[in-house]
Amino acid sequence: NAGVMQNPRHLVRRRGQEARLRCSPMKGHSHVYWYRQLPEEGLKFMVYLQKENIIDESGMPKERFSAEFPKEGPSILRIQQVVRGDSAAYFCASSPGVGQAGNQPQHFGDGTRLSIL
Amino acid sequence: RKEVEQDPGPFNVPEGATVAFNCTYSNSASQSFFWYRQDCRKEPKLLMSVYSSGNEDGRFTAQLNRASQYISLLIRDSKLSDSATYLCVVNRGGGSNYKLTFGKGTLLTVNP
Repeated sequence: NAGVMQNPRHLVRRRGQEARLRCSPMKGHSHVYWYRQLPEEGLKFMVYLQKENIIDESGMPKERFSAEFPKEGPSILRIQQVVRGDSAAYFCASSPGVGQAGNQPQHFGDGTRLSIL
Repeated sequence: RKEVEQDPGPFNVPEGATVAFNCTYSNSASQSFFWYRQDCRKEPKLLMSVYSSGNEDGRFTAQLNRASQYISLLIRDSKLSDSATYLCVVNRGGGSNYKLTFGKGTLLTVNP
């Protein structure tokens, strides 16, 4: 299956710990996006990355959250000092690197369900 | 006004029924429009892009009215497997056209 791969599927953390969520885009895709879905809410854009570049992080909380997409390896969404309100499903999506990013449908991974105790 | 608003649902229909979902968006600069479906606790999956001329894919027909900023999805001859949450998705347009805005979704249950 050459789809978007996210891991872990489920992650449990205690308040104050760090959470690391990983995403490998579809083969041939170089644009990566992270979204967060709170219970009973729609998905909300967090950040858009290309290899070694953060293009738009306007949807990221200003503190504790960071994202990267290194030259080698998966994209990482990192949440430091987690709080209960961080409990959500975090979805990664990818799209091809050709053409305007906005015109390309985004394909989503299975998501990581983060639970904070 | 929310950026993307959908029928709140839920919709409960018998197999074989025709069901229509409506969606409105507030950003007139939006350029790309999609319907995704999301099964319970799963990832959103692209159902179809929506074009100004309207488009059809099997039992699914999508319509876009840019003047009214309105999008619709029609499902004919519904199947049990169509049961899911249907998400209306719009891009931001302008310099942020990669940013997708999702509606909260409309839950459809198709009953035998």
